[in-house]
Amino acid sequence: GAVVSQHPSWVICKSGTSVKIECRSLDFQATTMFWYRQFPKQSLMLMATSNEGSKATYEQGVEKDKFLINHASLTLSTLTVTSAHPEDSSFYICSGLPPQSDYGYTFGSGTRLTVV
Amino acid sequence: QKEVEQNSGPLSVPEGAIASLNCTYSDRGSQSFFWYRQYSGKSPELIMFIYSNGDKEDGRFTAQLNKASQYVSLLIRDSQPSDSATYLCVSSGNTGNQFYFGTGTSLTVIP
Repeated sequence: GAVVSQHPSWVICKSGTSVKIECRSLDFQATTMFWYRQFPKQSLMLMATSNEGSKATYEQGVEKDKFLINHASLTLSTLTVTSAHPEDSSFYICSGLPPQSDYGYTFGSGTRLTVV
Repeated sequence: QKEVEQNSGPLSVPEGAIASLNCTYSDRGSQSFFWYRQYSGKSPELIMFIYSNGDKEDGRFTAQLNKASQYVSLLIRDSQPSDSATYLCVSSGNTGNQFYFGTGTSLTVIP
């Protein structure tokens, strides 16, 4: 089945630094990938839609200059949290949509970011 | 109005009972529906998908779709403590290219 690999699974960084999260589709080409954030005991919140070769589409209220998304190839999308602050601490999840969309999204394993 | 509505719960059932999770959707043209399970601190994982009216069974899980009522459900038979998780209902919308998530129902199976 379709697999999305997300790395790192867990990261701690100092306030003011930047963190990059990678999301790779291992066995399918993902022209579109999605980035979510999930705070404890809350539902998934779509942050942005990443489109290969073009600019990402951000949801209302998500700062595009803070959450930089790059989708330079059909198998790799990255999310960079710039100048991270403690309130950015969250669980970040990416997902891709395999061509046979009957099977819905395939999710990465998630990245737990803690900013100290 | 949200595209997909779920009761957030929490829903508690005793071990061995049937857990019934419900979901309604607003777009009558929605094509496919998915149930994902998410354990705390983990990513969602696909349990089942359904796109035809009626029931679809896979082991202890049965998905039910009623397009006339715009209603989707997931039944878990012989519930186990390991089934305790949040269950997400997802609709593909009428184009099949835009997916809509419910907020999830928290299920606790009590030993």
